[in-house]
Order: sequence, then structure tokens, then C-alpha cells
Amino acid sequence: AQSVTQLDSHVSVSEGTPVLLRCNYSSSYSPSLFWYVQHPNKGLQLLLKYTSAATLVKGINGFEAEFKKSETSFHLTKPSAHMSDAAEYFCVVSRKGGYNKLIFGAGTRLAVHP
Amino acid sequence: GAVVSQHPSWVICKSGTSVKIECRSLDFQATTMFWYRQFPKQSLMLMATSNEGSKATYEQGVEKDKFLINHASLTLSTLTVTSAHPEDSSFYICSARGTSGRKGTDTQYFGPGTRLTVL
Repeated sequence: AQSVTQLDSHVSVSEGTPVLLRCNYSSSYSPSLFWYVQHPNKGLQLLLKYTSAATLVKGINGFEAEFKKSETSFHLTKPSAHMSDAAEYFCVVSRKGGYNKLIFGAGTRLAVHP
Repeated sequence: GAVVSQHPSWVICKSGTSVKIECRSLDFQATTMFWYRQFPKQSLMLMATSNEGSKATYEQGVEKDKFLINHASLTLSTLTVTSAHPEDSSFYICSARGTSGRKGTDTQYFGPGTRLTVL
């Protein structure tokens, strides 16, 4: 079975400070991992994806994530938060039996304060 | 980028009526589309996988006779909620997977969602 755990339901940072959103996964085979962002009443936007190439993945808007197999983690980071980063973030793992069946984490709500 | 639209963006209906939601891939062809359901402050749950020209594959616990899915073309899938009840009120989101080329086959592109409220 595959599963993904987002360790924090809420994260609050000040504008200009680093962002860390934590994600651990469980998979019986080499997974594909994704981070999506959802702004209020908007669709999900792909931030970045890992598909067995470079373990450090750079995404849009300054976000990046590092795949660490030994720790089964795929944490999302950004050096400096912007007010527009406030949103819900989902860590997603691909599901066995179909490459594009996705399993979503519970989500982390990021708040950015001035 | 890859754009997926949904229509309507929100709908209110009376209990017992049926509601159709459309999902379109605007700038690419999608052999496979997915329908998700999201409850308030919760994550997305996959309801079904829709393949163009064939029957949809439903996830365990999803009533196929209640949630009718049609994928008649490479750019359009529809979800019809039949005999809707208040417990069907939710945020329904579709996604589409590209067939090839720049849009890729390994990424799902999501629509903006449809908020359904059943009175």
C-alpha cells in the first residue's frame, strides 16, 4: 500500500523567512512524488514533481523539494516566504496499479504574516 | 501551460434532482481524466478514473449508478450526480492527463473545481 503523511496541518511563518512543509511517504516500490498548491476556491497547481531523476527538485515560485529515500521524506522548502504563498499544500504520491492514480496527503495550510 | 476548465464553478440544486458537471482540457488532449471529491478542510479523494471511449473505473465505495461518468472525447468528461441529496454536497474536482509531448503523460492537470450544494 501507498500512503503519505504531512506532518503539520498548519504552518505559520513571517514574510521573508524560510518555509518548511514536511512530508513522509510509504510505498512498496519507487514512488513518484508531487507537491500541489491550492489557493482558496482555485484548482490545484503543480509546484514540482520527483520521478526518479535528480533527488533535489526545483519547482515554480522558488519552491524546491528533496527526495530522501533513506528517510522516506519529500519535504518542501522555500528560502523566503511571500504573502502570496499563503495557501493549502498537498504532498502526493503515485499509487500502485496505475501510474497516475494519486494518493493525497491531508494537506498543510500555510499562513504568511507580514 | 496545460489548462483544464470545469463548468459550472458552483451549483445549487434541490434534493432529488440531477446535476451535470463538465471537465474540459482546453489546450491538450486527455486520454484519461480523473474525478475527485473534497470535503471542507479535507484532502482530495479519488472517485473514478475516466478513459476516453470506455467505461469509467470507480474507486471502492463510490456508487457508479449515482455518479455517472462519460468521457466522450479526448477533451471532455462529464460527471452527473443523480438524485442528489444533501450529503452529496461537496467540492468536485477533475484532472486530466496528457497523451504525449510537452504536456506529458506523467502529470495530472487539475480543474478549478465545482462546488455543489444540495438543499
